[in-house]
Amino acid sequence: KAGVTQTPRYLIKTRGQQVTLSCSPISGHRSVSWYQQTPGQGLQFLFEYFSETQRNKGNFPGRFSGRQFSNSRSEMNVSTLELGDSALYLCASSPMGLAGVNEQFFGPGTRLTVL
Amino acid sequence: AQSVTQLDSHVSVSEGTPVLLRCNYSSSYSPSLFWYVQHPNKGLQLLLKYTSAATLVKGINGFEAEFKKSETSFHLTKPSAHMSDAAEYFCVVSESGGFKTIFGAGTRLFVKA
Repeated sequence: KAGVTQTPRYLIKTRGQQVTLSCSPISGHRSVSWYQQTPGQGLQFLFEYFSETQRNKGNFPGRFSGRQFSNSRSEMNVSTLELGDSALYLCASSPMGLAGVNEQFFGPGTRLTVL
Repeated sequence: AQSVTQLDSHVSVSEGTPVLLRCNYSSSYSPSLFWYVQHPNKGLQLLLKYTSAATLVKGINGFEAEFKKSETSFHLTKPSAHMSDAAEYFCVVSESGGFKTIFGAGTRLFVKA
């Protein structure tokens, strides 16, 4: 089985722009979660989608949004970019989601740099 | 509420010596616990997971962890470190019935030749 793929791998934007990141989960996985990783804040949970519905959300401003399509692929959008949004954005998929025993399978991440 | 604390931000060992990465957790329910590893510029890879079966869990690459409910700990160990073990390690707690997964702050492991 192919692993979790994320595109693009690297991205450079300027303040005020918006960006869309894409994640394709492992075939058959219905849950996709997004995380932001920075040296200062570590790994922070953004949101989780399951069967096209946002099921859980972290403490991020409304500039961060996402969606999931019927084929389980997910996109994350960040509007009005700020310098502090520079980070590695990780996507993870899971067969059934974040509950209990389900492990997550991570993609390689998208490195976003905001200038 | 659930939380996870990794007690060391950095650990340095010599190649061939034991590794101990410490993790304490807090959970209102029976938790599932995981250890993930992240090599530089890579995504996270699952090392092992505890899901209320055996308290001593064996993972990949010679790592293992022991669930101790009385101490609310889930420390990661390896008998003999290898240079390729140098990476960042994350302890993770997830509650059954809930839909949240909490990551620890991470422990960076350095392995000296």
